[in-house]
Amino acid sequence: EAGVVQSPRYKIIEKKQPVAFWCNPISGHNTLYWYLQNLGQGPELLIRYENEEAVDDSQLPKDRFSAERLKGVDSTLKIQPAELGDSAVYLCASSLGQAFSYEQYFGPGTRLTVT
Amino acid sequence: AQSVTQPDIHITVSEGASLELRCNYSYGATPYLFWYVQSPGQGLQLLLKYFSGDTLVQGIKGFEAEFKRSQSSFNLRKPSVHWSDAAEYFCAVVRDTGRRALTFGSGTRLQVQP
Repeated sequence: EAGVVQSPRYKIIEKKQPVAFWCNPISGHNTLYWYLQNLGQGPELLIRYENEEAVDDSQLPKDRFSAERLKGVDSTLKIQPAELGDSAVYLCASSLGQAFSYEQYFGPGTRLTVT
Repeated sequence: AQSVTQPDIHITVSEGASLELRCNYSYGATPYLFWYVQSPGQGLQLLLKYFSGDTLVQGIKGFEAEFKRSQSSFNLRKPSVHWSDAAEYFCAVVRDTGRRALTFGSGTRLQVQP
């Protein structure tokens, strides 16, 4: 069974440029998460989807970040415009979404460097 | 307020030695507790989890963890460390089952000496 797929794995952009990250969750996983991991820190939740609905986006900086999950499968996270402080690893995770099922499976992440 | 504390930023052990990584949580009720491992360039992998019941839980790769309510701790242990165990280890909790969000500690980096 394929795991969570993310692309690109690495991205270097200049500040003020836009950037997008893509995530394909494990087949059958209804819940999808985007996390931000700063260097030396644990991941922090940005947004959670249940199918195609964003049910928890309270930590997503909506002035520059946006996300979508069309058809309840793949998801894209976008930053526009990027700032120097956005340099981090962006992790996607998925889970079955059933009650009491909190096991999350993580992708390898996208390491973003903003110069 | 920090919900999950991993007091040790960095630990070095010799191969074959025992290992204990500490995790403390601050939460009134018993949260759901997890340990994840992150190898360089890899995603996080679930080692084990505790929801309820037996306070000693077994995980993959020979790891175990013990939930101690009186100490608000969920320490990870391994009796004999292998060089391949070198990685970053994260303790995590689900504080709000409605949100389903994992709250992670800041991690402990494990180095294994030959």
